[in-house]
Amino acid sequence: DQQVKQNSPSLSVQEGRISILNCDYTNSMFDYFLWYKKYPAEGPTFLISISSIKDKNEDGRFTVFLNKSAKHLSLHIVPSQPGDSAVYFCAASASGGSGTYKYIFGTGTRLKVLA
Amino acid sequence: DAMVIQNPRYQVTQFGKPVTLSCSQTLNHNVMYWYQQKSSQAPKLLFHYYDKDFNNEADTPDNFQSRRPNTSFCFLDIRSPGLGDAAMYLCATSRGGQLETQYFGPGTRLLVL
Repeated sequence: DQQVKQNSPSLSVQEGRISILNCDYTNSMFDYFLWYKKYPAEGPTFLISISSIKDKNEDGRFTVFLNKSAKHLSLHIVPSQPGDSAVYFCAASASGGSGTYKYIFGTGTRLKVLA
Repeated sequence: DAMVIQNPRYQVTQFGKPVTLSCSQTLNHNVMYWYQQKSSQAPKLLFHYYDKDFNNEADTPDNFQSRRPNTSFCFLDIRSPGLGDAAMYLCATSRGGQLETQYFGPGTRLLVL
């Protein structure tokens, strides 16, 4: 059973416009969330995170919004650039046992920014 | 200045023939993770080490084992690969705290013939 869901496998956006990527989760105990970006033939790289004590976190062109009551987060990229074309993974941090933490990932959304 | 290195990048093995994937890190991080990612699916955690403490996920098949001989290296052993084990295997490291970022290697793509 998928605890972190990204229901849109792909998204195409025109360069300069806003990209909105969505993520839903089912476990209300999750309190820290991350977005990773993955280019072909590379490992995922960290993009931005948000703690459940906040509802928004911004870093340059990237903003993540968290709606705890809806168990929903979204990543906004504005303005979108062709170099943003990649697969974006949403992840929730959960206890991994022995004081460690692990990520539970969504299936990813492939973003294509059209020039 | 690669930080998490995985070798080889591509591995072909035969059905039932043991295979080992390797991961090394230059970050001196306490925690090393192994994920399996099949096509169009989420990366799925198999197990992780905090220093020498091993944490296995409940649904990781017994066919998958891991070794961490020192801080820098971690190995994934697949004892008898089946066709269903063909996937991308990702290694990641972190300092271990909840707010600590995981750093991923480029992955090893395993093909089972």
